[in-house]
This record gives sequence, C-alpha cells and structure tokens, in this order.
Amino acid sequence: DIVMTQSPDSLAVSLGERATITCKSSQSLLYSSNNKNYLAWYQQKPGQPPKLLIYWASARESGVPDRFSGSGSGTDFTLTISSLQAEDVAVYYCQQYYSIPITFGQGTRLEIK
Amino acid sequence: EVQLVESGGGLVQPGGSLRLSCAASGFTFSSYWMQWVRQVPGKGLVWVSRINSDGSSTSYVDSVKGRFTISRDNAKNTLYLQMNSLRAEDTAVYYCARESDSSGYYSDYWGQGTLVTVSS
Repeated sequence: DIVMTQSPDSLAVSLGERATITCKSSQSLLYSSNNKNYLAWYQQKPGQPPKLLIYWASARESGVPDRFSGSGSGTDFTLTISSLQAEDVAVYYCQQYYSIPITFGQGTRLEIK
Repeated sequence: EVQLVESGGGLVQPGGSLRLSCAASGFTFSSYWMQWVRQVPGKGLVWVSRINSDGSSTSYVDSVKGRFTISRDNAKNTLYLQMNSLRAEDTAVYYCARESDSSGYYSDYWGQGTLVTVSS
C-alpha cells in the first residue's frame, strides 16, 4: 500500500498570510504514460463531508477559490493557500489514487493564529 | 444538483450485520463508479470499497475483505454496503462518494455520512 504522510499535523496562520501543507508518498504517483500525478486534496470542515479542492495534483475543482493551489510531482506535493481566510479553517487531506487501496494522508488541521 | 444521501447506520452488536444505502440523484448514476469511505469521529479518512458503473467489478481495503460487500442497483439509483461480522473497529461515519468521470479514482461528490456504532 502507498503511505501518504502530511506535514505538519497542525498549522496556525494569520489571516491574509500564506499557508503551506506538504504531502509525501511512499512511491511515485506519476504515471508515465499520461504524465499525470494521481494526487488529490480535500478540505473537511467540522460536521461536514470532505470537499474536493485539487485533483491531478494541480487542477483546481470548479468553484474552488483561486487562492488554493496544488503543486509537486512524483512523491512530493504541496497545497498552498495564498491568503488565508477565516472560512479556510478546516482539516486538509491529501489522497493518492494511483493504486488500490486508495490511501489518504493523516490530515493537517489549519487554524487562525 | 448532485445529491448522495446515506442511510442505514445505527448501533449494532459485535458480530452483527448492517446494510448501508446511498440514494443518488442529480446525475446519471449508472455511468459512474462509486466508493465508500469511512472516518472514525475525530480521526482521518479511510477508503473502504469501490464499484464500477455496472457492478461487475469491486475492490476492498484488506481490513474489510470477506466481511463487507459493495453493490448497486442502477434501476433504483442506489449504492449499498453490506457489512457482516462487524467489529468495534468498524465504528465510524460511512460516506458514499462519486468517483470523477475523468479516469481518476478521486471523489468529486460526497454524501453527509451515516454513523455506524459497533458496541455491546
């Protein structure tokens, strides 16, 4: 199974500042035949289901604010929130869908400083 | 509007069985692969199972193989998860989720979840 490791486990950032969450996979998520990284990011607010933010490592889901961006390739990935808003307080998860079983990172809790 | 509504959760004794349902609407259910994902309250997400669009192909996480069965009824636009031989560690909120149609296994829509509690 592919192990996904996020860092940090929790993060406190001031409003308007940049927040960066990293995700590392135990093996490459880059599929050579299509040059795509099989990595997604989700946001989960308290009492709500996860919400898809980013797929293919850097493609933003429709309706997601452009302050959210994803980057990286192979085994190292980053979710960046360029200017933190109060409504971004949540737990963020990375997910690999390169192989079954699909696996998630342990989550990163993002709070306001 | 895409909607996924889970039901069937509740309290069950260890060794017991439960069947979860997920009613889908707002999209052509029979065209999409579907998944179940669970989450122990306060903990992380764990993928459980997925099924292809016509129900002929399924996958499971090792911890539920042989105990859980995913299925679907495309005529009723409903996804199911039959859970047998339940254990305390199966206690979680169970989400059904729609897989994207972009050839990736990520989920673009999720239900609100149904809580399963396994306890004597």
